[in-house]
Amino acid sequence: NAGVTQTPKFQVLKTGQSMTLQCAQDMNHEYMSWYRQDPGMGLRLIHYSVGAGITDQGEVPNGYNVSRSTTEDFPLRLLSAAPSQTSVYFCASSRLTADNGYTFGSGTRLTVV
Amino acid sequence: AQSVTQPDIHITVSEGASLELRCNYSYGATPYLFWYVQSPGQGLQLLLKYFSGDTLVQGIKGFEAEFKRSQSSFNLRKPSVHWSDAAEYFCAGSGGTSYGKLTFGQGTILTVHP
Repeated sequence: NAGVTQTPKFQVLKTGQSMTLQCAQDMNHEYMSWYRQDPGMGLRLIHYSVGAGITDQGEVPNGYNVSRSTTEDFPLRLLSAAPSQTSVYFCASSRLTADNGYTFGSGTRLTVV
Repeated sequence: AQSVTQPDIHITVSEGASLELRCNYSYGATPYLFWYVQSPGQGLQLLLKYFSGDTLVQGIKGFEAEFKRSQSSFNLRKPSVHWSDAAEYFCAGSGGTSYGKLTFGQGTILTVHP
């Protein structure tokens, strides 16, 4: 099925550990982004990319790294996990013109202990 | 700065009553505007979107929204709410220097009483 696929769905990390959240889309969308969702704060943009090899910071980029080596994949790396990074993470993609809206993945629930 | 604001954190309505969820935006030019719905533990589903043209936009599940430039608003409405509409609703916008960056409001939780 076409769409945005996120893995894993759930993850528990210890403080200081690193990990990568995976995001893949098969719609040939140029634009991909990562959001974190925390209660009462909506979704906040972490990093985004407008195409392979191009990434930029969003509203809350500290503690996260991204790369975009292909159009399809946009992994999010937590360098040294902290309890403040406990959240639900969503990946989204769209055409660059955004005229078809944004497609979201089903989310990754991350707990850092 | 570009922003989207949802003034109501939590709204409670009775089943069958009408619904209006408020959304205000702040953009230099006319933004793209969206409404998403999220059920507990689920992802986000697009209800409707506004890009240009007709200011009254129809969406899925019987929802509609009206773009009002003079009030910088994009309120979501439904004439008769069903218990299955209970969820969290997010208004979002993109525009200005980058139509790719989507900015979300804080969300409105809708509770429906039988």
